[in-house]
Order: sequence, then structure tokens, then C-alpha cells
Amino acid sequence: DVKVTQSSRYLVKRTGEKVFLECVQDMDHENMFWYRQDPGLGLRLIYFSYDVKMKEKGDIPEGYSVSREKKERFSLILESASTNQTSMYLCASMAFTDTQYFGPGTRLTVL
Amino acid sequence: GQQLNQSPQSMFIQEGEDVSMNCTSSSIFNTWLWYKQDPGEGPVLLIALYKAGELTSNGRLTAQFGITRKDSFLNISASIPSDVGIYFCAGQLSGNTPLVFGKGTRLSVIA
Repeated sequence: DVKVTQSSRYLVKRTGEKVFLECVQDMDHENMFWYRQDPGLGLRLIYFSYDVKMKEKGDIPEGYSVSREKKERFSLILESASTNQTSMYLCASMAFTDTQYFGPGTRLTVL
Repeated sequence: GQQLNQSPQSMFIQEGEDVSMNCTSSSIFNTWLWYKQDPGEGPVLLIALYKAGELTSNGRLTAQFGITRKDSFLNISASIPSDVGIYFCAGQLSGNTPLVFGKGTRLSVIA
């Protein structure tokens, strides 16, 4: 079974803090994705990566950056967290010829 | 970014009833996927469709890939309380492009 894990299920941070959300997949997938999910807005793509050290902006990259130093790990970084970044963050991975698998999500609250 | 039109937004049904939901798009996709998300969890893949006209079942779930490649539906027969959750459709143009998601259908089952 494909396993996508996220470093925290719940996280509470203060405005202005730097926040790291980590995602690890164990299936040697090339593609990895970060989404945020908000009520009424569905899943919105923040960033994705097709390979190590590669990254592409999604639909809402502002206020976020990413890092992919190893194939199995894709990190989402909030350089200076703001209250409007309070959300559920979902990581996903996908092989080129396979479907997309999600992690359990991190519910981030920024106070 | 592009999003799929998914309907209905929410449904309240009696246990034992059948459920139908659908997704439409203004552009074609080569893959349609249906996911279910339980509260506080990441979406889990239910059914993947790869060919126009394809009809695929997974237990009480049946999904079809529309012949025009611009739509898909998901049926759930004889609903049970554990069917409660949010159902998302997703379309993909090719293996190396991000999924496009609908906003989800929230299903509530009344015992």
C-alpha cells in the first residue's frame, strides 16, 4: 500500500512564525503536491514537484515556498505565518502512470 | 485555476437509499477519479476511470467516465451510515499534469 505521511496532524503557530510542514512518501513517486482545503473552496493546489529540486507553482503559491531535496520528502514552508493561512494542508504523491494518493492532512491554526 | 462543477453540494438521505452525484467540465480529461474524505482525514481514492464510456464498480459504488470526456458520475447504492463524508471528483489531462478537483459533495446519511 502507498503510504504518505505528514509530520503533524495538528499544529498551532503564532503570526509571523516560520512554519515547516513535512511530507514523506514511501513509494518512490516522482510527483508530489501540496494543497490547502478550506470550507466551500475545495482543494486548492499550492505547489507541486515533478522531481528532486524541481518545483512548480500551483494556483495559490503566494505566502508559501517548498523544498524537495530528496525524492521521498516534500516540505511546505510558510516564511511568516498569517491568520489567513489557517487551514487544512494536504500532501499527495503520484507516480507518472498512477493515481494520486493523499496524506492524512495537517490542520494548522495561526493565532 | 480551473475547477470542475460538482453537484450537488450536499445531500441528506435516508439509510438504504441510492445516491447519485456528478461532475462536469468545460474541457476534456483523459482520467477521472473519485475520492472520499472522512472528517479530519485526507481523501482516499475510491474509483479511477481511464477510458471514455468506461463504467467501473467498487462494491456498492459505480462510476462512469462520460463519453464526451467532459463529465463523470458516481452512484452509491443502498447507503449506510459509514458512507458519510465528502466526495470529490478529479480530472487529469495527462500523467504529468496536476489533478483538477471539484468542490466536493457532502453526504449525510440519516439512520
